[in-house]
Amino acid sequence: GEDVEQSLFLSVREGDSSVINCTYTDSSSTYLYWYKQEPGAGLQLLTYIFSNMDMKQDQRLTVLLNKKDKHLSLRIADTQTGDSAIYFCAEEISSGSARQLTFGSGTQLTVLP
Amino acid sequence: DSGVTQTPKHLITATGQRVTLRCSPRSGDLSVYWYQQSLDQGLQFLIQYYNGEERAKGNILERFSAQQFPDLHSELNLSSLELGDSALYFCASSLSPGADTQYFGPGTRLTVL
Repeated sequence: GEDVEQSLFLSVREGDSSVINCTYTDSSSTYLYWYKQEPGAGLQLLTYIFSNMDMKQDQRLTVLLNKKDKHLSLRIADTQTGDSAIYFCAEEISSGSARQLTFGSGTQLTVLP
Repeated sequence: DSGVTQTPKHLITATGQRVTLRCSPRSGDLSVYWYQQSLDQGLQFLIQYYNGEERAKGNILERFSAQQFPDLHSELNLSSLELGDSALYFCASSLSPGADTQYFGPGTRLTVL
């Protein structure tokens, strides 16, 4: 079955880079996603990567995918206090027209001033 | 604002009761997904509909059911409620059931007393 794992907590200083890691088990995943959840709010899509890509960069965000090791990471450059939130990685399994996201437990990022 | 709306925002009810949660997808999106977020289970996929038809089923209890109407809004019905059903219920939508990203609504917080 599918299983997505993340470390629970990460603390960084403002201005430093943050790296949030994720491992997944299902090699048939098509897309992998990063979502952000702020306190009391819904899930905000940050970025995604297609499973045949190694890297994707989007402004301060860099996603690295190691398909062999089933390892996904999200790097946030120049981390700001507004980046403090829970970050979820998710893998998508699709079969025909059916799609399902399996989420990790989320990583609580705390940005210290 | 993702464009996905959910009502109500909060719902407090008693064990044994039945509730209906409502979701309106983004304009033009045909696919709707329901997720449950709880402290012990994390974020779990419940069910997916595409253009009125069920497409994928996740960890949805038999006491729960959903449907998608011709105007593409969706309802999630939860019956014989138990204390453990207290959670945040998210709806997401996407344009197609294929390779497309899901956009999440703000969620409905259900409290069962």
